[in-house]
Amino acid sequence: AQSVSQHNHHVILSEAASLELGCNYSYGGTVNLFWYVQYPGQHLQLLLKYFSGDPLVKGIKGFEAEFIKSKFSFNLRKPSVQWSDTAEYFCAVNRPRGTNAGKSTFGDGTTLTVKP
Amino acid sequence: DVKVTQSSRYLVKRTGEKVFLECVQDMDHENMFWYRQDPGLGLRLIYFSYDVKMKEKGDIPEGYSVSREKKERFSLILESASTNQTSMYLCASSLYNKPTYGYTFGSGTRLTVV
Repeated sequence: AQSVSQHNHHVILSEAASLELGCNYSYGGTVNLFWYVQYPGQHLQLLLKYFSGDPLVKGIKGFEAEFIKSKFSFNLRKPSVQWSDTAEYFCAVNRPRGTNAGKSTFGDGTTLTVKP
Repeated sequence: DVKVTQSSRYLVKRTGEKVFLECVQDMDHENMFWYRQDPGLGLRLIYFSYDVKMKEKGDIPEGYSVSREKKERFSLILESASTNQTSMYLCASSLYNKPTYGYTFGSGTRLTVV
């Protein structure tokens, strides 16, 4: 079964600091990878995704993530965070084909607090 | 604007009650999912459905059942609510043949069982 590990449960940064949130998954086959974000009081929404092509993908609000197949990783980055980036971030993985294709497995989440 | 709508934002129920959580999507998605979200535990899959009248158990189905009589509606049922089912419940939907698209989530239902 696939699993997703997010290394940091809670990250606290000052505005303008750089961000990197770690995500590793455990599945040897082809995968689709996602980062979702949940702002306080709002529903979960898709931040960015990778399924093929350039392993460096860009999402909304200046976020990017890099897929490194050899490390089974899909880390989320932002060069300069803002107070409005305070949220909970979830990494997720699914398989593009086969049994239960499209059913996503989520990590435990990382809470990011950005101090103004 | 496409949506996944959960019928209640907050619910308070008593131990032993039968509880229905409703989810409706207007995107003609085949897949629908119920997750519970607890601090430090992320999202855990309760049940999912790929089609009308079809359902499959997720990782934590005990104490829950589901119903999908129409494509747009997926109901989660707590047969006899217990305090350990106090949680945030999230409904999501996706396209069956487009796993790269990811999920669309509802706003969640925060259930408290007293």
